[in-house]
Amino acid sequence: QKEVEQNSGPLSVPEGAIASLNCTYSDRGSQSFFWYRQYSGKSPELIMSIYSNGDKEDGRFTAQLNKASQYVSLLIRDSQPSDSATYLCAVILGTGFQKLVFGTGTRLLVSP
Amino acid sequence: SAVISQKPSRDICQRGTSLTIQCQVDSQVTMMFWYRQQPGQSLTLIATANQGSEATYESGFVIDKFPISRPNLTFSTLTVSNMSPEDSSIYLCSVGVDYEQYFGPGTRLTVT
Repeated sequence: QKEVEQNSGPLSVPEGAIASLNCTYSDRGSQSFFWYRQYSGKSPELIMSIYSNGDKEDGRFTAQLNKASQYVSLLIRDSQPSDSATYLCAVILGTGFQKLVFGTGTRLLVSP
Repeated sequence: SAVISQKPSRDICQRGTSLTIQCQVDSQVTMMFWYRQQPGQSLTLIATANQGSEATYESGFVIDKFPISRPNLTFSTLTVSNMSPEDSSIYLCSVGVDYEQYFGPGTRLTVT
């Protein structure tokens, strides 16, 4: 089992729809979870961090965390073509030390 | 967050040579990290560089191949030594701010 797993996609959604990106992780003791957006040829950009069970909203983005199920998701409302990118889920496994482990990323395509 | 710069942004090198990549951040940070992202893949942590101590390398990465310096709280270098075509990759530095990590723009290395 990989430490952080994501569906590689591509996930295709029409403009204006909700895009739902999912991620599971292996270490039940993990406490810190992140979503990065990476455009082709660019470096990852942090868009959301979440540490507690439940939802965290920031503009059109909502991160959801369920530690019991070891599951974290990212919802993008009103998807725009500019949201087309690869979304990387990252987890600090265990507690404390900031060693981030990345999933393989989900490629999102938003069509006009 | 933090503003991070890397030099060079890209380079083409011959096998057997070495390249030193510089990472500069606009504020003092305790933790800096070096990652590799091979074509079409996710990020893999090479090592953690803390000022005043030896870098901590991840499994599969050794100091002789990837020596790291961290002379102060705003600067670090990664050297890729005795390069082979398998070292062709994007090399990224990141900095830790609380539990979050922010990435520099990356160095695209091609080894011929």
